[in-house]
Amino acid sequence: GDSVTQMEGPVTLSEEAFLTINCTYTATGYPSLFWYVQYPGEGLQLLLKATKADDKGSNKGFEATYRKETTSFHLEKGSVQVSDSAVYFCALSDGTSYGKLTFGQGTILTVHP
Amino acid sequence: SAVISQKPSRDICQRGTSLTIQCQVDSQVTMMFWYRQQPGQSLTLIATANQGSEATYESGFVIDKFPISRPNLTFSTLTVSNMSPEDSSIYLCSVGTVSPRDNEQFFGPGTRLTVL
Repeated sequence: GDSVTQMEGPVTLSEEAFLTINCTYTATGYPSLFWYVQYPGEGLQLLLKATKADDKGSNKGFEATYRKETTSFHLEKGSVQVSDSAVYFCALSDGTSYGKLTFGQGTILTVHP
Repeated sequence: SAVISQKPSRDICQRGTSLTIQCQVDSQVTMMFWYRQQPGQSLTLIATANQGSEATYESGFVIDKFPISRPNLTFSTLTVSNMSPEDSSIYLCSVGTVSPRDNEQFFGPGTRLTVL
């Protein structure tokens, strides 16, 4: 079945540091890929998405590129802020089951001033 | 986008009891989903709830334990029955777009359940 694997956390960075959170996936067919973010005490929010190979999703300074050859969708940000502290989830939708998402285990990011 | 509310936001329950969680959406949607997020873990889909039909459950989840209602296009409930401490989790509802190719889901704030 489909699966998503994220890098182990937690990740702790200083403000303005470069962020990478690795995400790889296993899926049949051509999945859509997503990054969701969960800020403390809040629900999940869609951060960015990509629906086909080589697409780049971007939002709020975050970027991720859909790499079919390496089955990856790594999340990057050039300069993190304290307000980016949250849990980040990589997810995929297989495109055949309406709306069904498979999530990675989540990565806790803490950014210090 | 869709605005989703859930009730209750949190509850502490006794073993053997049941809790019904409500999910209200500010617009009519076809697809509604219920997820569970166990402590320190990721989200797992429990079931898909479509209006006018029975819910479709994922492997490991059964209707007797997690009965779902979907009476109209803006509302759904999930009941956690005969609870045990292992049911302590955050339960989230979400709604999705129609097209699976351009799938985007919007999540409610979640219901934090603690079973003693």
